[in-house]
Amino acid sequence: GQNIDQPTEMTATEGAIVQINCTYQTSGFNGLFWYQQHAGEAPTFLSYNVLDGLEEKGRFSSFLSRSKGYSYLLLKELQMKDSASYLCASSDSNYQLIWGAGTKLIIKP
Amino acid sequence: DTAVSQTPKYLVTQMGNDKSIKCEQNLGHDTMYWYKQDSKKFLKIMFSYNNKELIINETVPNRFSPKSPDKAHLNLHINSLELGDSAVYFCASSQGRAGASYNSPLHFGNGTRLTVT
Repeated sequence: GQNIDQPTEMTATEGAIVQINCTYQTSGFNGLFWYQQHAGEAPTFLSYNVLDGLEEKGRFSSFLSRSKGYSYLLLKELQMKDSASYLCASSDSNYQLIWGAGTKLIIKP
Repeated sequence: DTAVSQTPKYLVTQMGNDKSIKCEQNLGHDTMYWYKQDSKKFLKIMFSYNNKELIINETVPNRFSPKSPDKAHLNLHINSLELGDSAVYFCASSQGRAGASYNSPLHFGNGTRLTVT
């Protein structure tokens, strides 16, 4: 079956660095997406990886290892506004997105 | 300007009623979706339309009927509402298939929180 696993909740300190992991098992693979969802709001697109390696975009970076079925989202210089849920989604052989339940990130001062 | 707008934002209704949620996008995208997000925060695809044609129809009760009058609109009608239908329903759009590439991320509306009592 198809499955996405990510931690339910993480806590980090303002100004620090946090890594949110995601493992995936999908029928075929056409890329890995990360979305951010603030409480009560819509998810918004953060990043996309289809090749192995690290993609950096400002304070946020996303890493992919296709052989391990593994990705992580790295958030640097954490700010209070980064408190949100982070959703991992894998694109399968039919380009359908398979979603994880999201990781709720709590930032403390 | 709101890119993907859906109405209403909140919907409280009783079991057995029929209700509709409307969605419009002004991004010029050719693909639109309905997603359901339950209390555990899983996003589940329900339907997808490409240029008014139904392309994804996941296993949902036939009480749910989507309708796309044109490629900028995708409405969702729900008959005989049940308690288990309570969730947040998100409309979304993308240019091409959402899972295809970096250039086709999903743009979500702000959601409709449906509560069935």
